[in-house]
Amino acid sequence: DAGVTQSPTHLIKTRGQQVTLRCSPKSGHDTVSWYQQALGQGPQFIFQYYEEEERQRGNFPDRFSGHQFPNYSSELNVNALLLGDSALYLCASRVTGGAKNTEAFFGQGTRLTVV
Amino acid sequence: AQSVTQLGSHVSVSEGALVLLRCNYSSSVPPYLFWYVQYPNQGLQLLLKYTSAATLVKGINGFEAEFKKSETSFHLTKPSAHMSDAAEYFCAGATYNQGGKLIFGQGTELSVKP
Repeated sequence: DAGVTQSPTHLIKTRGQQVTLRCSPKSGHDTVSWYQQALGQGPQFIFQYYEEEERQRGNFPDRFSGHQFPNYSSELNVNALLLGDSALYLCASRVTGGAKNTEAFFGQGTRLTVV
Repeated sequence: AQSVTQLGSHVSVSEGALVLLRCNYSSSVPPYLFWYVQYPNQGLQLLLKYTSAATLVKGINGFEAEFKKSETSFHLTKPSAHMSDAAEYFCAGATYNQGGKLIFGQGTELSVKP
């Protein structure tokens, strides 16, 4: 089992550009969440996808958008990048419903640097 | 609103000493609570979780945590620190009615001195 995989691992973008980050959930998982972790901070919830729809959203602007595909993989898109978007972006997957509803598994993250 | 607070952004212990990392939560509904560990340039690894079963929870690598409702605490302990325990530790909470959204504390960096 490969666990949660994210790509790319590192990315450098220029202010104003757009970026797409990708996540493949752990086998058997159907729900994907994205978190932003700024340097020295705890992760902050961006949004969650289940059944190809955004189910919950944190306090992030509309520049942050996402998508979930029929195979449960997900993308995070950020438009009009700001220097403050520089962070580690973490993807987490879990199973919705049943006894395993509460346990999330995290990927290694994508380190985004905006210059 | 739910919140998670970790007391102490840096904790330093000697190898073989007790590790105690503090976490307090506030929640209007019974919470699920978690401890995650993060090594440099890596993602988060689940150490242990509390989901309203036993209040004393045992996790991986010799860590354990006790849920104390009266103190709204979920402190992480390990009897004897190893050098390999040096990492960033995050306490997180979730409520069933939030659909699994995790609220994280600010993190505690654990240093282990030889």
